[in-house]
Amino acid sequence: DQQVKQNSPSLSVQEGRISILNCDYTNSMFDYFLWYKKYPAEGPTFLISISSIKDKNEDGRFTVFLNKSAKHLSLHIVPSQPGDSAVYFCAASPSTSGTYKYIFGTGTRLKVLA
Amino acid sequence: ETGVTQSPTHLIKTRGQQVTLRCSSQSGHNTVSWYQQALGQGPQFIFQYYREEENGRGNFPPRFSGLQFPNYSSELNVNALELDDSALYLCASSLGSPGQNYGYTFGSGTRLTVV
Repeated sequence: DQQVKQNSPSLSVQEGRISILNCDYTNSMFDYFLWYKKYPAEGPTFLISISSIKDKNEDGRFTVFLNKSAKHLSLHIVPSQPGDSAVYFCAASPSTSGTYKYIFGTGTRLKVLA
Repeated sequence: ETGVTQSPTHLIKTRGQQVTLRCSSQSGHNTVSWYQQALGQGPQFIFQYYREEENGRGNFPPRFSGLQFPNYSSELNVNALELDDSALYLCASSLGSPGQNYGYTFGSGTRLTVV
């Protein structure tokens, strides 16, 4: 049972345009969410996070939106750059146990075309 | 440079053998988690250690075990290797306790192939 789903395995966007990566989750106990970026032969790199008390968090070109009622979050990258080409994972965790154990989605491969 | 170093980078083992994977975390990173990433999948949580004690476990059998040491290094041990254990194994460390959401710094992983 996949509790965190990234339904688009790949996405291609023109340089300078907006990239929107989506993530859905099923567990209503999830209240912390992370986005990671992964280049080939490297470990995932933390990008941005959001907790359930917010519906938006912004860091430079990256903005994460959380819709708790729809159990949906999205990552917006504006403007997209060729160096953003990577696999993006969303991850979610409940905090009720006092321990953050993140469940990852299967990833979306973003390709930014120059 | 992520500050989390994993060794070896690649490893080939035979079915039934045992393997030990190593991770060296940044100083002060008391929480370490191990993940298994199969081809085309997201990382799957194996277990987490905090101050040398297991602090949570995912859906993995007991033949997956770990250790965390006072010098911020840790190990993942897998006994009786199976072909399905072939995957990228990621170590991720975090500053602070498991209840503090600082996010994780990942290593580059160990690619294990079981033949």
